[in-house]
Amino acid sequence: AQSVTQPDIHITVSEGASLELRCNYSYGATPYLFWYVQSPGQGLQLLLKYFSGDTLVQGIKGFEAEFKRSQSSFNLRKPSVHWSDAAEYFCAVKGSGGSNYKLTFGKGTLLTVNP
Amino acid sequence: GAVVSQHPSRVICKSGTSVKIECRSLDFQATTMFWYRQFPKKSLMLMATSNEGSKATYEQGVEKDKFLINHASLTLSTLTVTSAHPEDSSFYICSARTGGLVTEAFFGQGTRLTVV
Repeated sequence: AQSVTQPDIHITVSEGASLELRCNYSYGATPYLFWYVQSPGQGLQLLLKYFSGDTLVQGIKGFEAEFKRSQSSFNLRKPSVHWSDAAEYFCAVKGSGGSNYKLTFGKGTLLTVNP
Repeated sequence: GAVVSQHPSRVICKSGTSVKIECRSLDFQATTMFWYRQFPKKSLMLMATSNEGSKATYEQGVEKDKFLINHASLTLSTLTVTSAHPEDSSFYICSARTGGLVTEAFFGQGTRLTVV
């Protein structure tokens, strides 16, 4: 069964600082990986996704993530954080086999941005 | 991207009553819709998967008689919480996807249910 671990429950950074949110997955084959962002009381917005090809993927709002098979990781990065980036971030994995589109989410990382 | 609209965004109901939440795909046909429940400071828990015109597939531990899911058309799925109890209070989120293997799912904005 697939699983996702987000080791950091809460991260605080200063505005303008760089950011890295960690995500480790468990899946027997090549997974499909996603990062979503959720503002309070809102649904989820897709930041970026990895299906295949280039292991460094670019997303919206200046975010990027790198798939590292050897480390089973898909960490999210942003070079300079803005106050509006404060939100909850979820990493998710979907198995690449079959037609089941069930997503497995990590527990999320809450990002606080200090002025 | 595609838009998924969830209604209502917030609802308060009395214990013992039923409440219906709607999930609509506004600009695409959703062959599959998913219903999640999110507890405070917790991740999303998949409750069920529904395909248009067929019965929903519930995850283990989810009471299908309590959480009724209907996916009557390619643009609408509904979740009805029957005989609601205060412990059913939660944030419910739907998502929808088109057919094919390599596609993303689009999420609604969620519904905050409070049972008093």
